[in-house]
Amino acid sequence: EVQLLESGGGSPQTGGSLRVSCVVSGFNINTFAMSWVRQAPGKGLEWVSTINGSANSTYYTNSVKGRFIISRDISRNTLYLQMKSLRAEDTAVYYCTKGRTVGATFCFDPWGQGTLVSVSS
Amino acid sequence: QSVLTQPPSTSAAPGQKVTISCSGSTSNIGSSFVSWYVQVTGTAPKLLIYENNKRPSGIPDRFSGSKSGTSATLGITGLQTGDEAVYYCGTWDASLTTAVFGGGTLLTVL
Repeated sequence: EVQLLESGGGSPQTGGSLRVSCVVSGFNINTFAMSWVRQAPGKGLEWVSTINGSANSTYYTNSVKGRFIISRDISRNTLYLQMKSLRAEDTAVYYCTKGRTVGATFCFDPWGQGTLVSVSS
Repeated sequence: QSVLTQPPSTSAAPGQKVTISCSGSTSNIGSSFVSWYVQVTGTAPKLLIYENNKRPSGIPDRFSGSKSGTSATLGITGLQTGDEAVYYCGTWDASLTTAVFGGGTLLTVL
């Protein structure tokens, strides 16, 4: 069974840093594209970043370029999102999700339960 | 302001049918597959429809998807109270080079 389990959320201060993690099971993380999608309180879904299966390509939404880095550790089957220079508008639940198939990079299935990042001033 | 436009809310009675629209442009819906996701309050989103009209295993055939030009539509028949949720469309935008979602449509089953 495919499972994704996020952790690492917290309450960093504005301008601070945080790394969230996503441990996956049921598949090899180097086979599929992996993504982070966030949801601000009471708002809709916002795609944040994607790393492709071979890890030779990464994609970011404009608002996090230069501040967030997506990476993975194959030995730990874990996806990461390193966040720095955090802003209030980064406050959200961060979901880890997987490309549905090898070729379906931006069709997200399944999703983890999410981890809350609350940036405080 | 979302790149993909959905109605904020819709409602229908149990047993009835509802459709939810998702409007985009040639750089997103017009040139990429559309997915639909459902999110029940307090839970993570779940894939409902992929490649415009395909259902993942376990999704009942009461749910259907279609696409025409730069718009997509989710259809739900035989509405149940358990269908109350927010529904999102999503796709890739080749001009923005980002994945994009609609703003979500809250479905109320009266």
